[in-house]
Amino acid sequence: EVQLVETGGGLIQPGGSLRLSCAASGFAVSGNHMTWVRQAPGKGLEWVSVIHTGGDTFYADSVRGRFTISRDNSKNTVYLQMNSLRAEDTAMYFCARGPNSDSWGQGTLVTVSS
Amino acid sequence: EIVLTQSPATLSLSPGERATLSCRASQSVRSYLTWYQQKPGQAPRLLIYDVSNRATGIPARFSGSGSGTDFTLTISSLEPEDFAVYYCQQRDKWPITFGQGTRLEIK
Repeated sequence: EVQLVETGGGLIQPGGSLRLSCAASGFAVSGNHMTWVRQAPGKGLEWVSVIHTGGDTFYADSVRGRFTISRDNSKNTVYLQMNSLRAEDTAMYFCARGPNSDSWGQGTLVTVSS
Repeated sequence: EIVLTQSPATLSLSPGERATLSCRASQSVRSYLTWYQQKPGQAPRLLIYDVSNRATGIPARFSGSGSGTDFTLTISSLEPEDFAVYYCQQRDKWPITFGQGTRLEIK
C-alpha cells in the first residue's frame, strides 16, 4: 500500500528555518517525481516544489532561493528545507507522488509567527 | 505563469443532478490538465489526469473533457459524497499552477 507521512511542521518565528520530511512506503521515491504542495488556511492549493527521478529540482517563484527539496533514497524520504521563513509561508504542507500527484500525505502544518 | 480560472466559484446543486465545472487557462496547456477533489480536513484526491483519464478507483460518473485552454469536469449524477471543493491544475509549463477552486455545495 502506498503511504506518505509528512512530519516536521510547527510554530516558527519569522526568519527561522524548518525541515519537513515526507516518509514514503509502498514505493520508491527514487523512481517517482515527488512534489510539495501547500495550502494556506482557508485558501486554495499552491504548488511549491518538485524533485524529478533524475534529481532535477524546480521551485515556485515565491520560495526559490529559500526552500530546497531533496531526497534520501536509503530512507525513502523526501525533504523540504525551508529557510528565511515568512508569515506568508504559513500553510499546511502536503507531499505527493508522481507527475499527477496520485497519492498524497495527510500534511504537516507550518505556522510562521512571532 | 499560466493562470487557471475556474467557474463558477460556488455551485449549488442537489443529489442526483448533473454538475459541470469549468477551468480556463490563460494559454494552451495541451493535454496536461488535472482535476482534484478536496474535502474539509483532508488532502486532495486525484480524480482526472491528462484531461480525461480517470484515476484508479474513481467512479465513472466523473468525466473530464476539453483541449487547449478550455476544460470541463462533469459529474453525471451527484452523490452525497461528491460535495467538496474541486481544483484544476496544469503541468504543461513551469511553474505548475492550480485554479482557485470550485466549491460544490448541497442546495
